[in-house]
Amino acid sequence: GENVEQHPSTLSVQEGDSAVIKCTYSDSASNYFPWYKQELGKGPQLIIDIRSNVGEKKDQRIAVTLNKTAKHFSLHITETQPEDSAVYFCAASTGGGADGLTFGKGTHLIIQP
Amino acid sequence: DGGITQSPKYLFRKEGQNVTLSCEQNLNHDAMYWYRQDPGQGLRLIYYSQIVNDFQKGDIAEGYSVSREKKESFPLTVTSAQKNPTAFYLCASSIMDSAGYTFGSGTRLTVV
Repeated sequence: GENVEQHPSTLSVQEGDSAVIKCTYSDSASNYFPWYKQELGKGPQLIIDIRSNVGEKKDQRIAVTLNKTAKHFSLHITETQPEDSAVYFCAASTGGGADGLTFGKGTHLIIQP
Repeated sequence: DGGITQSPKYLFRKEGQNVTLSCEQNLNHDAMYWYRQDPGQGLRLIYYSQIVNDFQKGDIAEGYSVSREKKESFPLTVTSAQKNPTAFYLCASSIMDSAGYTFGSGTRLTVV
């Protein structure tokens, strides 16, 4: 089955700086790659996603890039703010997500004031 | 407001007892999912259902059971056969052709 590796497990950056979280996947048939943000005691919330026919997608301060050849994708957050502090999860799916997502183990992003 | 509701938020049970976690959605989503989250771990898929009266095992289905009698509801039973049931359980739903999941706020189950 699919295996998703996520790095780093913890990332501390100064407010205003950029943060990058990286994931690799094992199944070359994977075609859907979402990113979720989870705040303490809450369920994850979708922040951005990308499909395998696109190399990059941007939404305001958040962007995701996908390299299908290398089987890795990354989340980029620019101009970080205190409210960006949370745990971020990447995920991958071969069925567009309808038959379940395989998640990475998460990155705890800490924004230092 | 449309959303997905999990209840209760906290649940305590004695070892050896079965317990059922509730998940209800009013988003008219076809697919529903149950995930388990442990500290420092990602989310692991327990069961999912793409249509009423049908469901599929995920990666860690042993010791769990589900039903999907109504489109809106997808309860999860943690049975006494689950060897380590203490965890945070998350329910999610999605439209079949759009994979953006909506998650509930979770149920934290503690077995003592």
